[in-house]
Amino acid sequence: GIQVEQSPPDLILQEGANSTLRCNFSDSVNNLQWFHQNPWGQLINLFYIPSGTKQNGRLSATTVATERYSLLYISSSQTTDSGVYFCAGGNTGGFKTIFGAGTRLFVKA
Amino acid sequence: KAGVTQTPRYLIKTRGQQVTLSCSPISGHRSVSWYQQTPGQGLQFLFEYFSETQRNKGNFPGRFSGRQFSNSRSEMNVSTLELGDSALYLCASSYLGLAGGTTEETQYFGPGTRLLVL
Repeated sequence: GIQVEQSPPDLILQEGANSTLRCNFSDSVNNLQWFHQNPWGQLINLFYIPSGTKQNGRLSATTVATERYSLLYISSSQTTDSGVYFCAGGNTGGFKTIFGAGTRLFVKA
Repeated sequence: KAGVTQTPRYLIKTRGQQVTLSCSPISGHRSVSWYQQTPGQGLQFLFEYFSETQRNKGNFPGRFSGRQFSNSRSEMNVSTLELGDSALYLCASSYLGLAGGTTEETQYFGPGTRLLVL
């Protein structure tokens, strides 16, 4: 089955810093999503991005499907960005979405 | 629109019991997926339902089952509970239809049900 690898596993940032999170897939996927899980466990969808680039405020994501990786950029980080970031992928025709282990981000004030 | 709702939010059971968890998707969403999250195994896919049919299943034993009703609401059941079933169970819904010319497959998650098995 598809393997999803995320890096780095942990990240500590000073408020205002920028960061890049990476997600590699062992096989091609045609649905790819990024999520943020807050300390209460709620998973929030950040991007649905099977290919290309999208931006939403201070967050942007780029997926290079041919090379089987995706990047999530966080600019001008804030303490509220803390939490765990997951990427997840699968193939159309029904969800069997595989999640990575996540990147745990802590933003210091 | 109201978000994905899950009930109950917290549950304590003892080994050997069974449990039923409920998920109400966003109105108009036809796909419902279930996931188990534990500190050791992370987020693992359980199964996915679309139009009352199970389309995909993860690698979980037969003690884990589910169903979807005609209004897209879904339930999952775990029989003969084991200590290792203690986890956060998450449900996600998706429209899975054409929107703006492309298939909308974004998944929206509920708040989860925290199950503790003693």
